[in-house]
Amino acid sequence: AQSVAQPEDQVNVAEGNPLTVKCTYSVSGNPYLFWYVQYPNRGLQFLLKYITGDNLVKGSYGFEAEFNKSQTSFHLKKPSALVSDSALYFCAVTMNTGFQKLVFGTGTRLLVSP
Amino acid sequence: DTAVSQTPKYLVTQMGNDKSIKCEQNLGHDTMYWYKQDSKKFLKIMFSYNNKELIINETVPNRFSPKSPDKAHLNLHINSLELGDSAVYFCASSQMMDSSTDTQYFGPGTRLTVL
Repeated sequence: AQSVAQPEDQVNVAEGNPLTVKCTYSVSGNPYLFWYVQYPNRGLQFLLKYITGDNLVKGSYGFEAEFNKSQTSFHLKKPSALVSDSALYFCAVTMNTGFQKLVFGTGTRLLVSP
Repeated sequence: DTAVSQTPKYLVTQMGNDKSIKCEQNLGHDTMYWYKQDSKKFLKIMFSYNNKELIINETVPNRFSPKSPDKAHLNLHINSLELGDSAVYFCASSQMMDSSTDTQYFGPGTRLTVL
């Protein structure tokens, strides 16, 4: 069965500093990986996804993520954090099963301080 | 011009009652989903429908019954509500059923509180 781990419940970073939100996955085949962000009292918004090809994926709002097959990781990064990036971030995985069944991690709260 | 909308946004009700949550998407997508987010923010899929046909049913109690009158709508009816049903329920949609790579678009959520 596929699973996702987000080892940090919360990440704290100062505005202007780089940020990393960690994600590792476990699947029995090739994964499709996603990052979503949830702002308070809102639904999830898509940030980026890795399907195949270049391991570095660029997404919305200046975020990027690097797929690392050997480490089974898909960490989310941003070179310079903004206070407005403070939110709950979810990593999710699915596989090529013919239909999409996303399995989400437990979420990481990002807190960017001014 | 909301892509995925849900009503109501908040729902407070007593144990044992029956309630429904409605979802509509105007994206022209073929597939719709229901997710449950618990108090610890853990998000888990409940159902998915493709063109009104049930695709995924994640061992959800049969008190939960999704209904899709057309491919733009997926409603969730819950019978005999229990305290443990308190959660935020999210609807989502994606373009095609037979693509694991599609992006899902989420609604704003319905916060259900069972007293």
